[in-house]
Amino acid sequence: QSALTQPASVSGSPGQSITISCTGTSSDVGSSNLVSWYQQHPGKAPKLMIYEVSNWPSGVSNRFSGSKSGNTASLTISGLQAEDEADYYCSSYSRSGIWVFGGGTKLTVL
Amino acid sequence: EVQLVESGGGLVQPGGSLRLSCAASGFSFSSKWMHWVRQAPGKGLLWLSNIKSDGKNTYYADSVKGRFTISRDNAENTLYLQMNSLRAEDTAVYYCATFDYSGIWGQGTLVTVSS
Repeated sequence: QSALTQPASVSGSPGQSITISCTGTSSDVGSSNLVSWYQQHPGKAPKLMIYEVSNWPSGVSNRFSGSKSGNTASLTISGLQAEDEADYYCSSYSRSGIWVFGGGTKLTVL
Repeated sequence: EVQLVESGGGLVQPGGSLRLSCAASGFSFSSKWMHWVRQAPGKGLLWLSNIKSDGKNTYYADSVKGRFTISRDNAENTLYLQMNSLRAEDTAVYYCATFDYSGIWGQGTLVTVSS
């Protein structure tokens, strides 16, 4: 049960777009549409931003978008805002009931 | 209000046991798979376990298999995590959550394993 691979950090200026990658294997990301993205601010619980690869939960801005190609899922944030600065985690259904998270990516808004 | 509220965390000695609870309200708890996730201090999220809506299927991460047991009481809208043989590396904030479109998470409960 290896963690999905995410870059440790990404950064961007306000108004810019950034993309965070999440690389797994053919046993998880590559074979599952149950890929989600979470945002976590310090001391807070994670917040669901994208579910089932590219769907928005109620109340989440469409500045956040998700996609998947092969074994890699991606989260793109457009029009960066200061409040987007947070940690981001991907998750995927793996197999036989097992789920896995990525290691997390710290987003810095410059 | 839709919410999950964890309780039962605290300080426990290595080798000890603890039972966490997660009280659900404001949504159809009995219809959802439920999950436990933890986060060690300064670290990332780690999926631990999940349980089917009717309680008949459970799954565990290798790191806790055989030591932790997930269960639920749909009549009481409560999820549980029984943790035995606790180790220092189990020190973390423990969250209960739904992993579907609803994305409901509790605020977490801190478990500290230390002598």
